Amino acid sequence: DAGVTQSPTHLIKTRGQQVTLRCSPKSGHDTVSWYQQALGQGPQFIFQYYEEEERQRGNFPDRFSGHQFPNYSSELNVNALLLGDSALYLCASSLEGRGPGELFFGEGSRLTVL
Amino acid sequence: AQKVTQAQTEISVVEKEDVTLDCVYETRDTTYYLFWYKQPPSGELVFLIRRNSFDEQNEISGRYSWNFQKSTSSFNFTITASQVVDSAVYFCALSEAAGTASKLTFGTGTRLQVTL
Repeated sequence: DAGVTQSPTHLIKTRGQQVTLRCSPKSGHDTVSWYQQALGQGPQFIFQYYEEEERQRGNFPDRFSGHQFPNYSSELNVNALLLGDSALYLCASSLEGRGPGELFFGEGSRLTVL
Repeated sequence: AQKVTQAQTEISVVEKEDVTLDCVYETRDTTYYLFWYKQPPSGELVFLIRRNSFDEQNEISGRYSWNFQKSTSSFNFTITASQVVDSAVYFCALSEAAGTASKLTFGTGTRLQVTL
């Protein structure tokens, strides 16, 4: 049973560039959430996707956008990268109706912006 | 607004010692959920426990136990007879009961180092 997989694991970009991160949820899961974790901090909620729609969003600017595909996989896009976007980006999947917060996380994509 | 405070940044213990990780939360919701997650060096967060605001019973799972006290807005986590494999960063988190199931507010984490 494959868990949550994310790609790429590491990447380096320069300011102003754009990046796309990918996530495949755990088998059978239909909901995907994205979190940003800066060094030494707790994860911060970016947004959640369910049935290919963004269902809720945290306090992140419009430069952060996402998509969910019919197979439940998801992408996170960040435009006009800033140095402060350097972080570990975590994808979490869950099954709608299983109750709040029991999330399965991937190992993350570590983004460095130079 | 919701807030989770983990005042202990880092704790070091020797194997077999007991250790308690503190968590204090703030919320205006009357119904909410509390969680603990473990983050090993590999990066993925691992779910440990969920507790709803109406269930103040303490819970024990093997060497792990959790003490939820609504009166002090605390949800502390104790590891009994710690082991080297317990070394990780531990996060306490809070969510609303209504709406999305995935919007967790995390604390800043406590790094636990267990040495031989």
